Amino acid sequence: DAGVIQSPRHEVTEMGQEVTLRCKPISGHDYLFWYRQTMMRGLELLIYFNNNVPIDDSGMPEDRFSAKMPNASFSTLKIQPSEPRDSAVYFCASSLSRAAYGGEQFFGPGTRLTVL
Amino acid sequence: GENVEQHPSTLSVQEGDSAVIKCTYSDSASNYFPWYKQELGKGPQLIIDIRSNVGEKKDQRIAVTLNKTAKHFSLHITETQPEDSAVYFCAAHKPLYNNNDMRFGAGTRLTVKP
Repeated sequence: DAGVIQSPRHEVTEMGQEVTLRCKPISGHDYLFWYRQTMMRGLELLIYFNNNVPIDDSGMPEDRFSAKMPNASFSTLKIQPSEPRDSAVYFCASSLSRAAYGGEQFFGPGTRLTVL
Repeated sequence: GENVEQHPSTLSVQEGDSAVIKCTYSDSASNYFPWYKQELGKGPQLIIDIRSNVGEKKDQRIAVTLNKTAKHFSLHITETQPEDSAVYFCAAHKPLYNNNDMRFGAGTRLTVKP
């Protein structure tokens, strides 16, 4: 398996533009997580899905952020409009349902977002 | 919710020495404690984990200990090597029905000097 795939790996955009980050989880995994990593705040959980259904989005910072999972093999995180303070590395991770009782999350390589 | 504190934030050791990273958690219901290693430009990767029914676990040069009473757990790396240099994250998982609530510590940047 190729692992969790994220695209793009790097994104540079201007303030006010829409940004869409993409994730393909490991086949067979039914949990998908979106994290944001910054120097100031560390690794923050934004939202996670179970069987394509959003379970907890309490970490989503503002209404400018939205996430979807239209099927088991694809998820998007969208920021509209983007702001400079959104600059961070965004990670997608996936895991198996047994992880509900504690188990490994597999992380993608991340998308480094820079908003100018 | 769960709150995980991790110390130190940076750690520098000489090759061959041991390194210890400590974490505390707030919720006594947490029962799973993984450690992740993040190398430059990559996502975090699980290196070892421990469940609340176990006090210690070892895998070659790395070991984890858990003190449920004090609500703290530690990562021990012995005979450190330059390739151990990375950022290490602890995490605590609280089981809830249909919930995958895992919170990460702030991370420790470990540097192993040759």
